[in-house]
Amino acid sequence: DAKTTQPPSMDCAEGRAANLPCNHSTISGNEYVYWYRQIHSQGPQYIIHGLKNNETNEMASLIITEDRKSSTLILPHATLRDTAVYYCIVRVYNAGNNRKLIWGLGTSLAVNP
Amino acid sequence: GAVVSQHPSWVICKSGTSVKIECRSLDFQATTMFWYRQFPKQSLMLMATSNEGSKATYEQGVEKDKFLINHASLTLSTLTVTSAHPEDSSFYICSATGVREQFFGPGTRLTVL
Repeated sequence: DAKTTQPPSMDCAEGRAANLPCNHSTISGNEYVYWYRQIHSQGPQYIIHGLKNNETNEMASLIITEDRKSSTLILPHATLRDTAVYYCIVRVYNAGNNRKLIWGLGTSLAVNP
Repeated sequence: GAVVSQHPSWVICKSGTSVKIECRSLDFQATTMFWYRQFPKQSLMLMATSNEGSKATYEQGVEKDKFLINHASLTLSTLTVTSAHPEDSSFYICSATGVREQFFGPGTRLTVL
């Protein structure tokens, strides 16, 4: 059962910031939020993850609300190559104590010229 | 980042035959690997978690006798789809756990005629 909800699709102009929201209102205190993206017919690509602090790397920034019930992925200057499905995922532990990613349906981001 | 490869990238087989898909972590040792299946326009569905040297943990609803998983070394896991049928046609993706995140392979497109 997915623990996240995302808008099914979004558009963004090339060169502008893309802000992708995610709700994870049932997240537990030790569960991380991960973001991956998937370009058509390829394997998912890791973007960023966080627990409660905001995070930034060379690809994106992750803003997590103080109550941890939602987060926003920010692509600061979207390019056409950023067109993909973006997944916001909660990492949990399964019965074998292995880390497990719970995938939702993601947001299909279209970056337009 | 770490690289995970899959072979073959695509395969077409006749109904009733078995197909083996390999997943390799190329530059790191992966004690845990995951196998996913993705149908068109749907999200990734975790099939099983594979730990090196032990039996795989299958998700509910996944037939372990049909989808045989072997994780014999820290860099190789295999998924064998036994007696494949057209409904098994899908995009199969493996991933391997690094220090903090999962790295995904490029996927294998299986078409069963």
